[in-house]
Amino acid sequence: SQQGEEDPQALSIQEGENATMNCSYKTSINNLQWYRQNSGRGLVHLILIRSNEREKHSGRLRVTLDTSKKSSSLLITASRAADTASYFCATDYGNNRLAFGKGNQVVVIP
Amino acid sequence: EPEVTQTPSHQVTQMGQEVILRCVPISNHLYFYWYRQILGQKVEFLVSFYNNEISEKSEIFDDQFSVERPDGSNFTLKIRSTKLEDSAMYFCASSEAGASIYTQYFGPGTRLTVL
Repeated sequence: SQQGEEDPQALSIQEGENATMNCSYKTSINNLQWYRQNSGRGLVHLILIRSNEREKHSGRLRVTLDTSKKSSSLLITASRAADTASYFCATDYGNNRLAFGKGNQVVVIP
Repeated sequence: EPEVTQTPSHQVTQMGQEVILRCVPISNHLYFYWYRQILGQKVEFLVSFYNNEISEKSEIFDDQFSVERPDGSNFTLKIRSTKLEDSAMYFCASSEAGASIYTQYFGPGTRLTVL
């Protein structure tokens, strides 16, 4: 089964709107990380949330973690055209390997 | 801000040839990783490396693959005899330590094209 799997969707929003994407996983994790990838480029780390944390903020980003539902969400507030990218969640089961989801494509229209 | 670097950015090779992908992890990091992303697919874990030995590897990381830390700064991935299906973006990553509270920082990737 696939781990660290986002809701496979493409979001198209207007600049200034909020974007929310979700990620679910199958078994207990140590942490969950969100990454951004611009087309054909590398992975940029956004936020790491530990299994004992429920919410974390970084600038315009807000990540929640619900371990009872084995799910996480990433909220981007007041989106900008530069936020156009693919967003991945990656789960760490404590064996030093990240399991990535398929990614959410977000397009912010200026 | 320190970052992981990778060279080359793009490598084209013929099937059956050996390739070496190079990475310079962040200088105070102790754990190193290779991942790959076939076009349109998920990022997949290949191998993790600590204290000059492999600590974890996936089923993808077969005998055709090897990793090495030849000196104090470089970390390499070698594919001995490339196949068409090895065409992918290869990412190197590093983290301060292996405990699961540490972020893995990724390099920009090397796009490998096998013809």
